[in-house]
Amino acid sequence: DAGVIQSPRHEVTEMGQEVTLRCKPISGHNSLFWYRQTMMRGLELLIYFNNNVPIDDSGMPEDRFSAKMPNASFSTLKIQPSEPRDSAVYFCASSLTGTDTQYFGPGTRLTVL
Amino acid sequence: AQTVTQSQPEMSVQEAETVTLSCTYDTSESDYYLFWYKQPPSRQMILVIRQEAYKQQNATENRFSVNFQKAAKSFSLKISDSQLGDAAMYFCAYTRDDKIIFGKGTRLHILP
Repeated sequence: DAGVIQSPRHEVTEMGQEVTLRCKPISGHNSLFWYRQTMMRGLELLIYFNNNVPIDDSGMPEDRFSAKMPNASFSTLKIQPSEPRDSAVYFCASSLTGTDTQYFGPGTRLTVL
Repeated sequence: AQTVTQSQPEMSVQEAETVTLSCTYDTSESDYYLFWYKQPPSRQMILVIRQEAYKQQNATENRFSVNFQKAAKSFSLKISDSQLGDAAMYFCAYTRDDKIIFGKGTRLHILP
């Protein structure tokens, strides 16, 4: 298996632009998680899905953030409009179930100028 | 409220020596899982070891072992024969509800 795939690996954009991060979980995994990592706040859970259904989005910082999982093999995290404080590394992870080992993607480093 | 505490933000160990990273957590559950993840400079999050709370035997993976004290809610990671490639940020985590709660990490330096 190729593991969790994220794209792009790096994204540089200007304030106010829309940013879309993509994730392909490991085939057969039923749970998908989006995290944000910064030096100041560490690793934060933004949202997670079970069987493509969003379960808990309490970690999503603002209405500018939205996430979708249209099918079992694809998820997106969108920021619109982006702001410099959104600069961080965004990870996607998947697991067989919510309480199972999570396997992380390589992350997307987002820089908002 | 922080529910995973890694009290050592940074540690250093001489190559080939043994080091122990500490972790405490807070849960009212009786059945859960505990993890140590490693994040090297490449930033990839890698599972190091996993422990099931209902198992009394401490998990071991090659040079990595844990000391799981359920009553004390303690889950420390021991790295034996430290190698330069062990230099990384180490995160302790446990399952709660349908998700994993992570600590803030311990940065481990390996001194040659």
